[in-house]
Amino acid sequence: DVKVTQSSRYLVKRTGEKVFLECVQDMDHENMFWYRQDPGLGLRLIYFSYDVKMKEKGDIPEGYSVSREKKERFSLILESASTNQTSMYLCASSRRTGGYGYTFGSGTRLTVV
Amino acid sequence: GESVGLHLPTLSVQEGDNSIINCAYSNSASDYFIWYKQESGKGPQFIIDIRSNMDKRQGQRVTVLLNKTVKHLSLQIAATQPGDSAVYFCADLMNSGYSTLTFGKGTMLLVSP
Repeated sequence: DVKVTQSSRYLVKRTGEKVFLECVQDMDHENMFWYRQDPGLGLRLIYFSYDVKMKEKGDIPEGYSVSREKKERFSLILESASTNQTSMYLCASSRRTGGYGYTFGSGTRLTVV
Repeated sequence: GESVGLHLPTLSVQEGDNSIINCAYSNSASDYFIWYKQESGKGPQFIIDIRSNMDKRQGQRVTVLLNKTVKHLSLQIAATQPGDSAVYFCADLMNSGYSTLTFGKGTMLLVSP
């Protein structure tokens, strides 16, 4: 029973390309998040959203943007991909009120060449 | 910003042993704590959580202990099995407003048969 789905498991893109990473959740969660995960650096928050059309910057938003047009879908956009954006990208969702854990997707491993 | 840290990056145990994974957090206002397990190639999975009004919570083969005085969290896994081999993350959250989980960098648990 998959609850948070990321559209791609593996992606290879060229430097300068515009890249879209899609995430869909079926739990009617208000909150959605994008993280990147790198060895030795752990999970770092890129952007999050508390409602449709709302977005907040996380710890490392530079080089990224997001879109949330529908409650169940949260997209991460790399406007012009660079090699330092090669990473594992994880999407998560949670209920609005704090105190509930995040449910993560399986991740998208992006390689920028 | 403040971050959640771990004492040991790698823990190696024999099958059947009990495992203890430790975590220090820095935000004294945090009132909700979670442990996640991440197997290779997968997204983090929720294991167990605990609120700040509790010192201990037990699940199936897992126990989380919270010591607010020294801001320390631990995960105990009883009768560790090879399937428990994974990276374990702790995370904390201040349950007010639009706060987000702060993740530690993770501990690798290796279980030998």
